[in-house]
Amino acid sequence: DAGVTQSPTHLIKTRGQQVTLRCSPKSGHDTVSWYQQALGQGPQFIFQYYEEEERQRGNFPDRFSGHQFPNYSSELNVNALLLGDSALYLCASSFFPQGGGEQYFGPGTRLTVT
Amino acid sequence: AQSVTQPDIHITVSEGASLELRCNYSYGATPYLFWYVQSPGQGLQLLLKYFSGDTLVQGIKGFEAEFKRSQSSFNLRKPSVHWSDAAEYFCAVVRYNNNDMRFGAGTRLTVKP
Repeated sequence: DAGVTQSPTHLIKTRGQQVTLRCSPKSGHDTVSWYQQALGQGPQFIFQYYEEEERQRGNFPDRFSGHQFPNYSSELNVNALLLGDSALYLCASSFFPQGGGEQYFGPGTRLTVT
Repeated sequence: AQSVTQPDIHITVSEGASLELRCNYSYGATPYLFWYVQSPGQGLQLLLKYFSGDTLVQGIKGFEAEFKRSQSSFNLRKPSVHWSDAAEYFCAVVRYNNNDMRFGAGTRLTVKP
């Protein structure tokens, strides 16, 4: 049983560009959450998708957007990249959209903005 | 404001020694509580969780954690540390019926031979 997978593993972009990160949830899961983990910090919640809709959002600007597909996979898009967007982006999947559902994390995508 | 505090940024213990990692939270009500471990270049792996009931919870890899409501704490313990336990440990909380999981800043564990 495949766990949560993310692609690409690493990515280097230039300031002002746009980036798309992808996530496939663990088999049987229908909810995907995205987190940003800056170096030396804990992950910060970006948003969560369930039934192809954004259900909740953390304190991130509109430059961060997402999408969930009918097969439950998800994309995270970041526009107008800033140097401060350099981080490890983690995707987590779960079965319950409500709080408390155990989340399984992928290995992350390391984004470097130069 | 809702927050999760891990007071220890870095802890070093000898292999075979006991371990306790501290976590305090500030929420309006008792949230769901989690401990995750992250090895370099890896995602987060769930060690254990507390939803309700017995305040001492057992997890994987020999870890346990105790929820103390009066102290708003959820400390992680292991009686005998192995070299493979060296990693970053994160405490996390989420309120019931809320999807915003809040993480502490993490505690980096170094294990001396």
